[in-house]
Amino acid sequence: DIVMTQSPDSLAVSLGERATITCRSSQSLLYNSNTKNYLAWYQQKPRQPPKLLFYWASTRESGVPDRFTGSGSETDFTLTISNLQAEDVAMYYCQQYSKIPYTFGQGTKLEIK
Amino acid sequence: QVQLQESGPGLVKPSDTLSLACTVSGGSMSGYYWVWIRQPPREGLEWIANVHYSGDTDYNPSLKSRLSVSVDTSKNQFFLNLSSVTAADTAVYYCARGFFDSTGFHNAFEIWGHGTMVIASS
Repeated sequence: DIVMTQSPDSLAVSLGERATITCRSSQSLLYNSNTKNYLAWYQQKPRQPPKLLFYWASTRESGVPDRFTGSGSETDFTLTISNLQAEDVAMYYCQQYSKIPYTFGQGTKLEIK
Repeated sequence: QVQLQESGPGLVKPSDTLSLACTVSGGSMSGYYWVWIRQPPREGLEWIANVHYSGDTDYNPSLKSRLSVSVDTSKNQFFLNLSSVTAADTAVYYCARGFFDSTGFHNAFEIWGHGTMVIASS
């Protein structure tokens, strides 16, 4: 199985500042045939289902504010949230859909400092 | 817009079979794949299985021996059956829709149901 490891497990960031979450996979998620990385990011607020933020590592889902940026390739990926807003408080998960079984990172809890 | 709704018993006895349905409203099931994911209390997300609108399936090997998923496109529903449940199967179970990219590969889970809590307990 591909192991997904996120860091940190939790972080507290001041309003208006930048939050950075990293995700590392145990195998490359890059398909050479289409140069796409099969990595998604989800946001989960309390008592809600996860919400897709990015697919192909950096393609923003419709409706996601451009304060959110996904980047990275192969085994190292980053989710950056600029100008942090109160509504960004949530758990964030990365997920690989390159190989069965699809696997998620353990999650990163983002709070306001 | 497309919505997904999980349904099924909230309490299942150990050793029994957990059976859930996901009803898709507001759109067709064709052209997508359909997914089950679970989340134990205060834990992370675990992918369970995919079922294509064609009926093809992908299972998590850790659950495969107890797992069966199916689809009924005429009813706009897909289903999960997990046998021989134990307390470790206690979780919120989500259904979701996955989409295909232009080359036919699976892409991410773009629409999720609200989830249903299933407790395995006597």
